[in-house]
Amino acid sequence: QKEVEQNSGPLSVPEGAIASLNCTYSDRGSQSFFWYRQYSGKSPELIMFIYSNGDKEDGRFTAQLNKASQYVSLLIRDSQPSDSATYLCAVKSGGSYIPTFGRGTSLIVHP
Amino acid sequence: EPEVTQTPSHQVTQMGQEVILRCVPISNHLYFYWYRQILGQKVEFLVSFYNNEISEKSEIFDDQFSVERPDGSNFTLKIRSTKLEDSAMYFCASSDRGALGYTFGSGTRLTVV
Repeated sequence: QKEVEQNSGPLSVPEGAIASLNCTYSDRGSQSFFWYRQYSGKSPELIMFIYSNGDKEDGRFTAQLNKASQYVSLLIRDSQPSDSATYLCAVKSGGSYIPTFGRGTSLIVHP
Repeated sequence: EPEVTQTPSHQVTQMGQEVILRCVPISNHLYFYWYRQILGQKVEFLVSFYNNEISEKSEIFDDQFSVERPDGSNFTLKIRSTKLEDSAMYFCASSDRGALGYTFGSGTRLTVV
């Protein structure tokens, strides 16, 4: 059973701070890693994906991947109240085209 | 920006009834998916569809479920005999490169009473 684990939160950070969201996965054969943002009552929206160990930056977002430790994280710099949402980690193993989603971490950015 | 369209946005049905959820994927996408999300739970994969056939399906996608692409633009999910536990948000998604970068539709909230 492929597991993707996330702390459900909520993670509360002040506006302007760095929010750090973490995700661990059980399948060592996992190859692709995705972060989605989901506002309450809305559909998931892809923020970014990462394949290789290290960091990948896109604007205020940085994804970090450490395959040896089986974790992937998402950093949000200069957090804004509009970043308040649930962040879903999704992991795709080599044996499937279909990613497995974690339950998500609720982020609250307070002014 | 292209989007995936789902109808209806909310469907209420009686237990045992058949429902059809409709989706119009992005026009140049080739891969189509159905997911569901029970309130407060994780997003769960149901089925993927490529080249007019099911390419993968989960344990949830049993004989009560079926998918169809009847006319080259619509992609439907049918639940033959709904159960209370089928109540969830159902998301359609499409992509142009396998499981890379899904675009999700806005969802259909199915309530079985």
